[in-house]
Amino acid sequence: GAVVSQHPSWVICKSGTSVKIECRSLDFQATTMFWYRQFPKQSLMLMATSNEGSKATYEQGVEKDKFLINHASLTLSTLTVTSAHPEDSSFYICSARDMVAGLDTQYFGPGTRLTVL
Amino acid sequence: DQQVKQNSPSLSVQEGRISILNCDYTNSMFDYFLWYKKYPAEGPTFLISISSIKDKNEDGRFTVFLNKSAKHLSLHIVPSQPGDSAVYFCAASAHYGGSQGNLIFGKGTKLSVKP
Repeated sequence: GAVVSQHPSWVICKSGTSVKIECRSLDFQATTMFWYRQFPKQSLMLMATSNEGSKATYEQGVEKDKFLINHASLTLSTLTVTSAHPEDSSFYICSARDMVAGLDTQYFGPGTRLTVL
Repeated sequence: DQQVKQNSPSLSVQEGRISILNCDYTNSMFDYFLWYKKYPAEGPTFLISISSIKDKNEDGRFTVFLNKSAKHLSLHIVPSQPGDSAVYFCAASAHYGGSQGNLIFGKGTKLSVKP
């Protein structure tokens, strides 16, 4: 199946700093990528939809200025957590949408564990 | 309001037997359904999908059944193996209704396959 990578896999940062997470589709082009957040023992929560070459669409309750998303190419989307605080500590997962033979499937990256001290 | 529900938070099955994971949905606009498997601290792995024009899709040990009238789908794993132990997420999309393909996830069912 299609492969999606994320970098870094884990990051620890001080409160107030910014952290950038990269999401890449390795063997297909993704016009749409998604960013999710998962809290312990909870389901995946969609944060935003990222379309190549245009502004991201954020879900209700997600701060646009805090979670900056850039989708500059068909294989790369980045999520920047600005001025991170301990409550931003979470597991962030991206996915890339692959349209093959008319079927729409999302393939997920391995996730990034963010810990804000 | 939860549009995709997985009412069983956990399921324990003996190795070699069948695992049946259930999922219910409320939005009649959903027309594409997927199952993902997730290990701790990893991203979900796509398992199998089904569109609303079908009622069954099979891939190796995995079969997904869709009952549109009941708004219910299930994932059958047979025979179950210890390596199948993971959290299984059901997801639905109203893609063919014009959305961007946003997936709505259930809360997951933790499957434990005992040797």
